[in-house]
Amino acid sequence: DIVMTQSPLSLPVTPGEPASISCRSSQSLLYSNGYNYLDWYLQKPGKSPQLLIYLGSNRASGVPHRISGSGSGTDFTLKISRVEAEDVGVYYCMQALHTPNTFGQGTRLEIK
Amino acid sequence: EVQLVESGGGLVQPGGSLRLSCSASGFTFSSFAMHWVRQAPGKGLEYLSVISSNGSITYYADSVKGRVTISRDNSKNTLYLQMNSLRAEDTAVYYCVKPWAPKGFSFDYWGQGTLVTVSS
Repeated sequence: DIVMTQSPLSLPVTPGEPASISCRSSQSLLYSNGYNYLDWYLQKPGKSPQLLIYLGSNRASGVPHRISGSGSGTDFTLKISRVEAEDVGVYYCMQALHTPNTFGQGTRLEIK
Repeated sequence: EVQLVESGGGLVQPGGSLRLSCSASGFTFSSFAMHWVRQAPGKGLEYLSVISSNGSITYYADSVKGRVTISRDNSKNTLYLQMNSLRAEDTAVYYCVKPWAPKGFSFDYWGQGTLVTVSS
């Protein structure tokens, strides 16, 4: 199975400051069609996960523009330009290219 | 509006069985592959299983292979997960998940989850 490694695992951030989460995969997620099959999900406290970013850099419906995804191959990054209180939760990357899908360990973002 | 509503979770003894259900609405259920993902208490997400839109193709993670059966009834817009020979490590919230494309593996909708507790 593909191993997904996130860092950091804990991310305290001051409101209004930027935040960045790294995700690395043990195999390339770049498919022959040019798309990277890497998603980002946010699980808010007590809630089900929600899709933020799909195919590496595409925002899901309703996701604010201050949240962005980038990267290719095996290295990916989720960036929040200005953290708000509503961004608190656990962020997971997930590869969707190789069966079975596999998730990173999760990064807990908290407000300082 | 897409809705996925899981049910069937509860407390079961080790070695016991449960059948989870997921009632889907707000999209053409019969056109989409459907998935199950679980999350042990305080832990991360674990992908479990997928079934094709017509039910002919299934896949199981090694952790549940041979003990779990995924199925669907397109006439009832319902997804199932039959779980047998349950172990303590199967204790988790089980999510029914819809992909954003019919045969896709990115998940745009998640149910609220149903808690399965395996304990004597």
